[in-house]
Amino acid sequence: DTGVSQNPRHKITKRGQNVTFRCDPISEHNRLYWYRQTLGQGPEFLTYFQNEAQLEKSRLLSDRFSAERPKGSFSTLEIQRTEQGDSAMYLCASSRDTLFGSQSPLHFGNGTRLTVT
Amino acid sequence: SQKIEQNSEALNIQEGKTATLTCNYTNYSPAYLQWYRQDPGRGPVFLLLIRENEKEKRKERLKVTFDTTLKQSLFHITASQPADSATYLCAAPSGNTPLVFGKGTRLSVIA
Repeated sequence: DTGVSQNPRHKITKRGQNVTFRCDPISEHNRLYWYRQTLGQGPEFLTYFQNEAQLEKSRLLSDRFSAERPKGSFSTLEIQRTEQGDSAMYLCASSRDTLFGSQSPLHFGNGTRLTVT
Repeated sequence: SQKIEQNSEALNIQEGKTATLTCNYTNYSPAYLQWYRQDPGRGPVFLLLIRENEKEKRKERLKVTFDTTLKQSLFHITASQPADSATYLCAAPSGNTPLVFGKGTRLSVIA
């Protein structure tokens, strides 16, 4: 168990640029989640995958946000035409499937901190 | 709308005392709740899960309760230590979202 890995750890970009973040989950986990967290707030759910299927994406913040998990392993989160309001920590997590009908614990990476100038 | 709320932003307690953090849910009844710890600059780390048919769960110095009448979960840390200082988050499923998090409570244990 090498943990969830997120790259890059930090990203500074100018408004209007596109950015892409990568998440490598724990290898035996089939679920992968993206959250966003701003200062003083809890993680805000964006989307999640079971294997390569994106099960819920209605919480993505706008059509500028998209996520993929093409082979059911790593995932990418892309933000197009970034805005200053997109500045936040973007967290990825992975988990096994449900555990006796309950959500299996999420294992989080340490996030990618995005700063839009 | 369904909500998970942690109304205390911060809690300061003395070392050795018991810290009690509160999580309330409104407009629904989640089948379970999870508690996580988050240190600055790091992702949350899972601590405990409690199901609606469980009154109490323990793990070392941690205890979680689930009161479906009060629509509340309490998270206790006994014999608190400065190393317990962190933000504690509760989370529960809501609609199509597998896990919705509260805002968190920042605990400071003072030596």
